[in-house]
Amino acid sequence: QVQLQESGPGLIKPSETLSLTCSVSGGSVTSGSYYWNWIRQAPGQGLEWIGNIYYSGRTQYNPSLKSRLTISLDTSKKQVSLRLTSVTAADTAIYYCAREHTTGYNWFDPWGQGTLVSVSS
Amino acid sequence: DIQMTQSPSSLSASVGDRVTITCRATQSISSHLNWYQQEPGKAPNLLIYAASSLQSGVPSRFSGSGSGTDFTLTINSLQPEDFATYFCQQGHSTPYTFGQGTKLEIK
Repeated sequence: QVQLQESGPGLIKPSETLSLTCSVSGGSVTSGSYYWNWIRQAPGQGLEWIGNIYYSGRTQYNPSLKSRLTISLDTSKKQVSLRLTSVTAADTAIYYCAREHTTGYNWFDPWGQGTLVSVSS
Repeated sequence: DIQMTQSPSSLSASVGDRVTITCRATQSISSHLNWYQQEPGKAPNLLIYAASSLQSGVPSRFSGSGSGTDFTLTINSLQPEDFATYFCQQGHSTPYTFGQGTKLEIK
């Protein structure tokens, strides 16, 4: 059973670069049936899709974040990484990684437990 | 971007009730609609994918229907563990988008 585990700094200052890692266990990250996604949820708010990556390295980003965002995949370590530059308080959120099934229809399952990132000086 | 609108935003119901949550898309998404349940302090959990397919392990009291722009999630015979927040999500095209959520509370 695939499990996802996010890790990150917890607290970061405005204008700095946020780096998060999602470690995948119990399954392959090189299957052609899946994308690997980042999704975030501001405190008490809804869900925002950030972007994803395919095992080939192909990425898709939310246009609202595209200029600041890089998602990468280390297949040897089975880790998906997120890098978000020039963060502001608006980037404070719980960041989730999730596997996207992409076999005609697309859905997210499973999700990691999430990691809270606070942006504050 | 495709906007997803859920109604109601909150709902009070009793154990044993039947409830329906609706989700509307701003353009046709065929059956590319998923439903998630989120308990407080936890990650969302997939309930329904492709509008009406029940995820493995999810109780059969949950069901989904709809296509095009209008979708519903129905929960029959509410159980105590069902009181949570529910989100719809369109998987038709990126950027993927979610409804704002429906919080189901105990009456």
